[in-house]
Amino acid sequence: IAGITQAPTSQILAAGRRMTLRCTQDMRHNAMYWYRQDLGLGLRLIHYSNTAGTTGKGEVPDGYSVSRANTDDFPLTLASAVPSQTSVYFCASSRDVGQPQHFGDGTRLSIL
Amino acid sequence: GENVEQHPSTLSVQEGDSAVIKCTYSDSASNYFPWYKQELGKRPQLIIDIRSNVGEKKDQRIAVTLNKTAKHFSLHITETQPEDSAVYFCAAFMDSSYKLIFGSGTRLLVRP
Repeated sequence: IAGITQAPTSQILAAGRRMTLRCTQDMRHNAMYWYRQDLGLGLRLIHYSNTAGTTGKGEVPDGYSVSRANTDDFPLTLASAVPSQTSVYFCASSRDVGQPQHFGDGTRLSIL
Repeated sequence: GENVEQHPSTLSVQEGDSAVIKCTYSDSASNYFPWYKQELGKRPQLIIDIRSNVGEKKDQRIAVTLNKTAKHFSLHITETQPEDSAVYFCAAFMDSSYKLIFGSGTRLLVRP
């Protein structure tokens, strides 16, 4: 079934550790996105990629990095995790910029 | 700056009644407005969207209206059912930055 796959589904991480959240889509969508969702704050854009080989900063990019080496994969890396990065992380994709976005199931990340 | 305000934050209605959620946006050049439904612990799912070239769009019990002059748009759910209970997010695609900005969400409770 076509869609977006995120891994892991959940993770508990010690502060200071490096962590990469994985996101893969098989819909050949050009654009991909990473959001974090915190209680009462809705979805906030961390980073985005309008097409393979390009990335851009969203609303809350500090402490995160992304890469887009190919169309299907868009990993999100926390270089040195801090407790304020405890959140639910959603990856999304759309055929192109400004088109409907489809979300993965999310990764629940706890930084202790 | 880029902003989407959503009201109310919580809404409780009796089964069979209508529910209305309202959003305002800051970028007058915005031209795409999706609505997402998120059940507890699940991914956000697109339920309806509208583009700026139309003022209203309907899909069974769900409708969205758009007032570009006033920069606001609304979600209308008629004949509400308990399974409509969820958090609903509006969003506006900002032409100024090519980003989708989300409202903070409305928790809808439909009482049987």
